[in-house]
Amino acid sequence: DGGITQSPKYLFRKEGQNVTLSCEQNLNHDAMYWYRQDPGQGLRLIYYSQIVNDFQKGDIAEGYSVSREKKESFPLTVTSAQKNPTAFYLCASSIAGDSTASTDTQYFGPGTRLTVL
Amino acid sequence: AQKVTQAQTEISVVEKEDVTLDCVYETRDTTYYLFWYKQPPSGELVFLIRRNSFDEQNEISGRYSWNFQKSTSSFNFTITASQVVDSAVYFCALIPHRNTGKLIFGQGTTLQVKP
Repeated sequence: DGGITQSPKYLFRKEGQNVTLSCEQNLNHDAMYWYRQDPGQGLRLIYYSQIVNDFQKGDIAEGYSVSREKKESFPLTVTSAQKNPTAFYLCASSIAGDSTASTDTQYFGPGTRLTVL
Repeated sequence: AQKVTQAQTEISVVEKEDVTLDCVYETRDTTYYLFWYKQPPSGELVFLIRRNSFDEQNEISGRYSWNFQKSTSSFNFTITASQVVDSAVYFCALIPHRNTGKLIFGQGTTLQVKP
């Protein structure tokens, strides 16, 4: 089945540790996105990538890093510099990444819930 | 400013009632795209509908219908004969044409349908 997978579903981290959240898609989509959701709030964009080996900061990129070495994969690292990392993280993808098609519908994975202990 | 406002934080209805979720948006662009997503308790966002700014036709899909009015910058979502399975958080979102794929989300409306 085609879709977006995120792992793990739940992640616990001690303060001062870096953790990496996985996002994989087999939809052959060019563009991928990471969003953060806090309780009672909408989603906020962390990073996005429209093509392999290229990515841009979103609205709240501080304390996060990403890589896009393969079309299918867009891992997100939450670094120790992120002051309030406890949140629900959602990965999304859309068909094409060029500027004319970046208005494509975004499809979301099941999310990873990160808790800092 | 580019913004989506969902003024209703929580709505509670009894099964079989109709319910309308409001969405008001702001954008400078004349071309833009509007979306509704459903987030059930499992957490995954489920895509419901996409509407382009140049297409003002309303849409119906089963018990769901959407009313898009550019004159009032609104894109409201109605569920007819609600069911318990409709209980979820619903998000309205906007991609302005020049915004390079960034979805701008409203705060979400939590819908509780009681049996």
